[in-house]
Amino acid sequence: EIVLTQSPGTLSLSPGERATLSCRASQSVSSSYLAWYQQKPGQAPRLLIYDASSRATGIPDRFSGSGSGTDFTLTISRLEPEDSAVYYCQQYGSSSLTFGPGTKVHIK
Amino acid sequence: QVQLVQSGAEVKKPGASVKVSCKASGYTFTSYGISWVRQAPGQGLEWMGWISTYNGNTNYAQKLQGRVTMTTDTSASIAYMELRSLRSDDTAVYYCARGGAYIDLWGRGTLVTVSS
Repeated sequence: EIVLTQSPGTLSLSPGERATLSCRASQSVSSSYLAWYQQKPGQAPRLLIYDASSRATGIPDRFSGSGSGTDFTLTISRLEPEDSAVYYCQQYGSSSLTFGPGTKVHIK
Repeated sequence: QVQLVQSGAEVKKPGASVKVSCKASGYTFTSYGISWVRQAPGQGLEWMGWISTYNGNTNYAQKLQGRVTMTTDTSASIAYMELRSLRSDDTAVYYCARGGAYIDLWGRGTLVTVSS
C-alpha cells in the first residue's frame, strides 16, 4: 500500500498570500495518478486536481497542482477567505487507493 | 441534476450489520464505478473499496476484507455498501462517490454510529 504524507499539518496565512501544500508518497505514484480534494466542515470533499496537474471542472485557476514520482504540490496562488479548509491528496496509481492525512489551511 | 443521494443516519449495536444505499441520478449509472470512503469523527478520509457498476467487479481495502460487501442494482441506479460485525471504531460518516480512481462526485454522507 502506498502511504501518503502531507506537510505542513496546518498552514495559517493571510488573504492574498500564496499557499504551498506538499504530498509525499512512500513509493512512486504510477503515471502521476494523484488527486487533491478540498473539504470544508460538515461537507463532502470536492475534487480540485486530478492526474497531478489537471484542474477539475469549475475550479478557479488560482489552484494548481504539480509534481511526479513521489513528490507532489498543491499551490493556491492568492488565498481567498473561502479557501479555509482541509486539503487531502489521494493516489490512484495502485489498486488500493489511499489518502493523505490532510493539511488544514487557516485564513487569518 | 447530477447527484448521489444516500440513505439516512443509522445507529447500530456492536456486532450488528449496516447497509447504506446510494442512488445516482443525472448521469448514466453504468458508465462510472462507485467508491465508498469513510471518515471517523475528526479524522481523515479512508478508502473502503470500489465496485464496477458495469460488471459488478469489486476491489476492497485489505483491512475490511471479509466484513464489507458492495453491490449494485443497475435497474434502479443504486449502489449498496454492507458492513458486518460492527465495532465502535466503525463509527463514521460513510460517503459513496463516483469514480474508481479520482472521485469527481460525492454523496452527502451517511452517519453510522456504533454504540451499545
